[in-house]
Amino acid sequence: QVQLQESGPGVVKPSQTLSLTCIVSGASISSGHYYWNWIRQPAGKGLEWIGRIYASGSANHNPSLKSRLTISVDTSKNQFSLTLNSVTAADTAVYYCTAQWLGEDYWGQGTLVTVSS
Amino acid sequence: QSVLTQPPSVSAAPGQKVTISCTGGRSNIGNNYVSWYQQVPGSAPKLLIYDNNQRPSGIPDRFSGSKSGTSGTLGITGLQTGDEADYYCGTWDSNLSAWLFGGGTKLTVL
Repeated sequence: QVQLQESGPGVVKPSQTLSLTCIVSGASISSGHYYWNWIRQPAGKGLEWIGRIYASGSANHNPSLKSRLTISVDTSKNQFSLTLNSVTAADTAVYYCTAQWLGEDYWGQGTLVTVSS
Repeated sequence: QSVLTQPPSVSAAPGQKVTISCTGGRSNIGNNYVSWYQQVPGSAPKLLIYDNNQRPSGIPDRFSGSKSGTSGTLGITGLQTGDEADYYCGTWDSNLSAWLFGGGTKLTVL
């Protein structure tokens, strides 16, 4: 059973950088079996896909966030990360990391990130 | 506004059947598989359907999926109060090289 845990600051100041890490257990990122995703959800709103990365480091990004977004993977630590620059209040959301491949779909519990001064 | 269009809400009585539609375009639903997720308030979403009509292990056969052209449909039979949740469709968009979610549909079991 794959388990994922998001970690990072709960509050980020406007214009600064949001950094989150997803720690993976129960599976090896380097096995190449899953896509590793970041998804967010503002309070009371729908899901927004942020991007995904594969074990090789190949990544896809939401076009609306691409200019501010970096997704990376560290196979030695079995974790992957999200960096979002120049944040605004619109980036306030619960951020989820997920592992997905066909009918296998695992989610972290989510972490609330608030952009506020 | 989402590229994938879902009705904001649907409702039905316990024991009845409900369907939720998801309409997109050629570059997304038209040429890629549709997935469906269930999200109970306060919890992370759960995958109900993948590859248009496949159920992951543990998902009851009351949940079904289908696709026709540029639209996907989630069906739920034998509605239970525990099915009250938000439901999201999702698919890959080949032009954007990005995953898309629908705006979500709130299911109320009256």
